[in-house]
Amino acid sequence: EAGVAQSPRYKIIEKRQSVAFWCNPISGHATLYWYQQILGQGPKLLIQFQNNGVVDDSQLPKDRFSAERLKGVDSTLKIQPAKLEDSAVYLCASSPRLAGGDGTTYNEQFFGPGTRLTVL
Amino acid sequence: AQSVSQHNHHVILSEAASLELGCNYSYGGTVNLFWYVQYPGQHLQLLLKYFSGDPLVKGIKGFEAEFIKSKFSFNLRKPSVQWSDTAEYFCAVNAVGGLLTGGGNKLTFGTGTQLKVEL
Repeated sequence: EAGVAQSPRYKIIEKRQSVAFWCNPISGHATLYWYQQILGQGPKLLIQFQNNGVVDDSQLPKDRFSAERLKGVDSTLKIQPAKLEDSAVYLCASSPRLAGGDGTTYNEQFFGPGTRLTVL
Repeated sequence: AQSVSQHNHHVILSEAASLELGCNYSYGGTVNLFWYVQYPGQHLQLLLKYFSGDPLVKGIKGFEAEFIKSKFSFNLRKPSVQWSDTAEYFCAVNAVGGLLTGGGNKLTFGTGTQLKVEL
């Protein structure tokens, strides 16, 4: 079974430039997540999609970050304009489906290799 | 909202030594608990998980973790580490209760513990 694919693997840009990351989840997985992992910290959820709808974007800095999953399969995360503090690894993960309404069913998240972004 | 603390940021052990990595969470309700591992150059992958039942859970590669509800802890253990266990280990929590309480499928991670096993 193919895993979660991400590209590019590395990106270096200057501050105020724009950048986009792409993620293709495991085939058939309805739920897709974008995480930001700053050096020395654990991954932090930015946005969660169920099919092509946003489930949770409460921690997404919406003034500069945007994400879409138009056809409910692959997804793009964009930063415009980038700041120095955006330097991090951006991880994409997918899981088969969202938990049940009462949250009692958890589906394992499978992670991609990440995109390492350096903002100079 | 839930939070996770991992108190050991860097751990260095010799092969065959015993390992215990601490993890504490703050959330008053029911939780699902996880340990993820990231080997050098590889993806994050699930090591073990606790949903309910026996508080002592066993994962891959000889790892185990014990959920102690009264202490809000989920410590990771291995009786005898190997050089190949060198990796970064993350504890994570999922608050049960749906999206209204920040649960659903959302994972909150700790800051991670970098383990180095020396020959």
